[in-house]
Amino acid sequence: QVQLVESGGGVVQPGRSLRLSCAASGFSFSTYAMHWVRQAPGKGLEWVAVIAYDGTTKYYGDSVKGRLTISRDNSKNTLYMQMTSLRAEDTAVYYCAKDRIPMGGTLYFDYWGQGTLVTVSS
Amino acid sequence: EIVLTQSPVTLSLSPGERATLSCRASQSVGSYLAWYQQKPGQAPSLLIYDASNRATGIPARFSGSGSGTDFTLTISSLEPEDFAVYYCQQRSNWPLTFGGGTKVEIK
Repeated sequence: QVQLVESGGGVVQPGRSLRLSCAASGFSFSTYAMHWVRQAPGKGLEWVAVIAYDGTTKYYGDSVKGRLTISRDNSKNTLYMQMTSLRAEDTAVYYCAKDRIPMGGTLYFDYWGQGTLVTVSS
Repeated sequence: EIVLTQSPVTLSLSPGERATLSCRASQSVGSYLAWYQQKPGQAPSLLIYDASNRATGIPARFSGSGSGTDFTLTISSLEPEDFAVYYCQQRSNWPLTFGGGTKVEIK
Protein backbone atom coordinates (compact mmCIF):
# COMPACT_ATOMS: atom_id res chain seq x y z
CA GLN A 1 0.00 0.00 0.00
CA VAL A 2 1.03 3.60 -0.53
CA GLN A 3 3.06 5.04 2.34
CA LEU A 4 4.48 8.52 2.70
CA VAL A 5 6.58 9.21 5.77
CA GLU A 6 7.81 12.72 6.45
CA SER A 7 10.76 13.57 8.66
CA GLY A 8 13.06 16.45 9.48
CA GLY A 9 10.72 18.76 11.34
CA GLY A 10 11.57 20.41 14.61
CA VAL A 11 12.14 23.73 16.32
CA VAL A 12 14.32 26.20 14.43
CA GLN A 13 15.19 29.85 14.98
CA PRO A 14 13.99 32.54 12.59
CA GLY A 15 16.34 32.98 9.66
CA ARG A 16 17.75 29.47 9.92
CA SER A 17 17.35 26.53 7.53
CA LEU A 18 15.82 23.09 7.66
CA ARG A 19 15.44 20.18 5.25
CA LEU A 20 12.36 17.99 5.22
CA SER A 21 12.24 14.53 3.69
CA CYS A 22 9.39 12.31 2.58
CA ALA A 23 10.10 8.61 2.07
CA ALA A 24 7.69 7.01 -0.37
CA SER A 25 6.79 3.36 -0.84
CA GLY A 26 4.06 1.17 -2.29
CA PHE A 27 3.88 2.89 -5.67
CA SER A 28 6.09 3.81 -8.60
CA PHE A 29 7.47 7.02 -7.10
CA SER A 30 9.41 8.05 -10.20
CA THR A 31 6.23 8.30 -12.28
CA TYR A 32 4.23 10.66 -10.04
CA ALA A 33 4.36 14.37 -9.40
CA MET A 34 4.69 15.11 -5.71
CA HIS A 35 3.56 18.02 -3.56
CA TRP A 36 4.13 19.69 -0.23
CA VAL A 37 1.10 21.11 1.58
CA ARG A 38 1.24 22.78 4.97
CA GLN A 39 -1.17 23.56 7.76
CA ALA A 40 -0.49 26.11 10.45
CA PRO A 41 -1.71 25.12 13.92
CA GLY A 42 -5.50 25.32 14.04
CA LYS A 43 -5.67 26.72 10.50
CA GLY A 44 -6.54 25.54 7.01
CA LEU A 45 -4.49 23.97 4.27
CA GLU A 46 -1.96 25.84 2.14
CA TRP A 47 -0.38 24.33 -0.96
CA VAL A 48 3.38 24.93 -0.93
CA ALA A 49 5.03 23.36 -3.96
CA VAL A 50 4.91 20.67 -6.64
CA ILE A 51 7.64 18.85 -8.53
CA ALA A 52 7.09 16.90 -11.73
CA TYR A 53 7.69 13.15 -11.79
CA ASP A 54 11.10 13.64 -13.42
CA GLY A 55 12.08 16.70 -11.40
CA THR A 56 12.22 18.99 -14.42
CA THR A 57 9.34 21.27 -13.48
CA LYS A 58 8.59 22.93 -10.15
CA TYR A 59 5.98 25.42 -9.00
CA TYR A 60 5.70 27.25 -5.69
CA GLY A 61 3.16 29.11 -3.66
CA ASP A 62 3.69 32.87 -3.52
CA SER A 63 4.49 32.95 0.19
CA VAL A 64 7.45 30.57 -0.12
CA LYS A 65 8.98 31.51 -3.48
CA GLY A 66 12.70 32.06 -3.21
CA ARG A 67 12.96 30.54 0.27
CA LEU A 68 11.75 26.96 -0.11
CA THR A 69 13.08 24.55 -2.72
CA ILE A 70 11.43 21.26 -3.62
CA SER A 71 13.51 18.40 -5.01
CA ARG A 72 13.41 14.64 -5.37
CA ASP A 73 15.70 11.65 -5.68
CA ASN A 74 13.92 8.99 -7.66
CA SER A 75 16.69 6.48 -6.99
CA LYS A 76 15.89 6.77 -3.27
CA ASN A 77 12.09 7.22 -3.60
CA THR A 78 12.40 10.39 -1.56
CA LEU A 79 10.97 13.88 -1.80
CA TYR A 80 12.68 16.86 -0.16
CA MET A 81 11.94 20.42 0.87
CA GLN A 82 14.88 22.70 1.60
CA MET A 83 13.67 25.57 3.74
CA THR A 84 15.78 28.71 4.18
CA SER A 85 15.28 32.12 5.79
CA LEU A 86 12.54 30.62 7.93
CA ARG A 87 9.94 32.92 9.46
CA ALA A 88 7.47 32.50 12.29
CA GLU A 89 4.68 32.26 9.72
CA ASP A 90 6.29 29.11 8.29
CA THR A 91 5.31 27.29 11.49
CA ALA A 92 3.07 24.45 10.35
CA VAL A 93 2.64 20.75 9.85
CA TYR A 94 4.17 19.95 6.48
CA TYR A 95 2.55 17.13 4.52
CA CYS A 96 3.92 15.46 1.43
CA ALA A 97 1.23 14.33 -0.96
CA LYS A 98 1.12 12.20 -4.07
CA ASP A 99 -0.55 13.34 -7.27
CA ARG A 100 -3.55 11.32 -8.34
CA ILE A 101 -2.34 10.04 -11.71
CA PRO A 102 1.14 9.35 -13.07
CA MET A 103 3.28 11.35 -15.46
CA GLY A 104 1.41 14.57 -16.30
CA GLY A 105 -0.49 14.58 -13.04
CA THR A 106 -3.77 16.19 -12.08
CA LEU A 107 -2.68 18.56 -9.30
CA TYR A 108 -5.00 16.71 -6.92
CA PHE A 109 -3.63 14.80 -3.94
CA ASP A 110 -4.78 11.24 -3.39
CA TYR A 111 -2.37 10.09 -0.68
CA TRP A 112 -0.89 12.13 2.13
CA GLY A 113 1.74 11.48 4.76
CA GLN A 114 1.02 12.09 8.43
CA GLY A 115 3.04 15.28 8.39
CA THR A 116 6.03 16.72 10.20
CA LEU A 117 5.78 19.78 12.44
CA VAL A 118 8.09 22.71 11.83
CA THR A 119 8.15 25.35 14.55
CA VAL A 120 10.00 28.59 13.86
CA SER A 121 10.67 30.33 17.13
CA SER A 122 13.47 32.04 18.97
CA GLU B 1 -4.59 34.04 -6.99
CA ILE B 2 -7.99 32.36 -7.00
CA VAL B 3 -9.72 32.70 -3.66
CA LEU B 4 -12.08 29.92 -2.61
CA THR B 5 -14.74 30.86 -0.06
CA GLN B 6 -16.44 28.03 1.77
CA SER B 7 -19.74 28.32 3.57
CA PRO B 8 -20.95 27.86 6.13
CA VAL B 9 -17.90 27.86 8.39
CA THR B 10 -19.64 25.42 10.72
CA LEU B 11 -22.56 23.12 9.99
CA SER B 12 -24.33 21.51 12.95
CA LEU B 13 -26.31 18.44 11.97
CA SER B 14 -27.45 15.10 13.34
CA PRO B 15 -26.50 11.66 12.00
CA GLY B 16 -28.79 10.72 9.15
CA GLU B 17 -29.32 14.30 8.03
CA ARG B 18 -28.26 15.72 4.68
CA ALA B 19 -25.24 18.03 4.57
CA THR B 20 -24.78 20.65 1.87
CA LEU B 21 -21.44 22.46 1.73
CA SER B 22 -20.63 25.33 -0.60
CA CYS B 23 -17.41 26.49 -2.24
CA ARG B 24 -17.34 29.69 -4.29
CA ALA B 25 -14.38 30.70 -6.45
CA SER B 26 -13.31 34.30 -7.10
CA GLN B 27 -13.09 33.48 -10.81
CA SER B 28 -14.04 30.52 -12.94
CA VAL B 29 -12.13 27.30 -12.30
CA GLY B 30 -14.12 25.27 -14.84
CA SER B 31 -14.58 21.84 -13.30
CA TYR B 32 -11.11 21.78 -11.78
CA LEU B 33 -12.17 21.49 -8.18
CA ALA B 34 -11.63 18.85 -5.52
CA TRP B 35 -13.00 18.18 -2.05
CA TYR B 36 -11.05 16.75 0.89
CA GLN B 37 -12.07 15.51 4.31
CA GLN B 38 -9.87 15.98 7.36
CA LYS B 39 -10.51 14.37 10.72
CA PRO B 40 -8.81 15.62 13.91
CA GLY B 41 -5.16 14.64 14.09
CA GLN B 42 -5.21 13.10 10.62
CA ALA B 43 -4.05 14.09 7.18
CA PRO B 44 -6.69 15.12 4.65
CA SER B 45 -8.14 12.55 2.28
CA LEU B 46 -9.44 13.07 -1.24
CA LEU B 47 -13.20 12.70 -1.67
CA ILE B 48 -14.11 14.28 -5.01
CA TYR B 49 -12.06 15.49 -7.97
CA ASP B 50 -13.00 17.41 -11.11
CA ALA B 51 -16.09 18.67 -9.28
CA SER B 52 -18.13 15.49 -9.40
CA ASN B 53 -15.93 12.38 -9.58
CA ARG B 54 -15.66 10.29 -6.44
CA ALA B 55 -12.16 9.19 -5.55
CA THR B 56 -11.39 5.51 -5.13
CA GLY B 57 -13.23 3.93 -2.22
CA ILE B 58 -15.41 6.92 -1.42
CA PRO B 59 -19.00 5.97 -0.52
CA ALA B 60 -21.84 6.98 -2.79
CA ARG B 61 -23.37 9.20 -0.09
CA PHE B 62 -20.73 11.77 -1.05
CA SER B 63 -21.45 13.71 -4.21
CA GLY B 64 -20.09 16.84 -5.80
CA SER B 65 -21.62 19.23 -8.28
CA GLY B 66 -21.06 22.60 -9.88
CA SER B 67 -18.83 24.32 -12.39
CA GLY B 68 -17.40 27.75 -13.02
CA THR B 69 -17.50 29.54 -9.68
CA ASP B 70 -20.09 27.68 -7.59
CA PHE B 71 -19.64 24.18 -6.23
CA THR B 72 -21.44 21.96 -3.76
CA LEU B 73 -20.45 18.91 -1.75
CA THR B 74 -23.44 16.91 -0.57
CA ILE B 75 -23.44 14.15 2.00
CA SER B 76 -26.82 12.49 1.55
CA SER B 77 -27.11 10.95 5.01
CA LEU B 78 -24.47 11.69 7.61
CA GLU B 79 -22.71 8.76 9.21
CA PRO B 80 -20.88 9.21 12.55
CA GLU B 81 -17.51 9.06 10.77
CA ASP B 82 -18.44 11.97 8.47
CA PHE B 83 -18.16 14.61 11.17
CA ALA B 84 -14.98 16.35 10.13
CA VAL B 85 -13.62 19.41 8.33
CA TYR B 86 -14.05 19.64 4.56
CA TYR B 87 -11.87 21.66 2.20
CA CYS B 88 -12.25 22.51 -1.46
CA GLN B 89 -9.19 22.99 -3.70
CA GLN B 90 -8.79 24.37 -7.22
CA ARG B 91 -6.24 23.34 -9.82
CA SER B 92 -7.28 25.72 -12.58
CA ASN B 93 -4.64 28.37 -11.96
CA TRP B 94 -1.31 28.74 -10.19
CA PRO B 95 -0.94 28.79 -7.30
CA LEU B 96 -3.15 25.92 -6.26
CA THR B 97 -5.44 27.14 -3.51
CA PHE B 98 -7.70 25.73 -0.83
CA GLY B 99 -10.83 27.10 0.73
CA GLY B 100 -10.90 27.93 4.40
CA GLY B 101 -12.87 24.82 5.32
CA THR B 102 -16.29 23.87 6.65
CA LYS B 103 -16.55 22.00 9.91
CA VAL B 104 -19.42 19.53 10.06
CA GLU B 105 -20.18 18.95 13.71
CA ILE B 106 -22.67 16.85 15.62
CA LYS B 107 -25.73 18.79 16.68
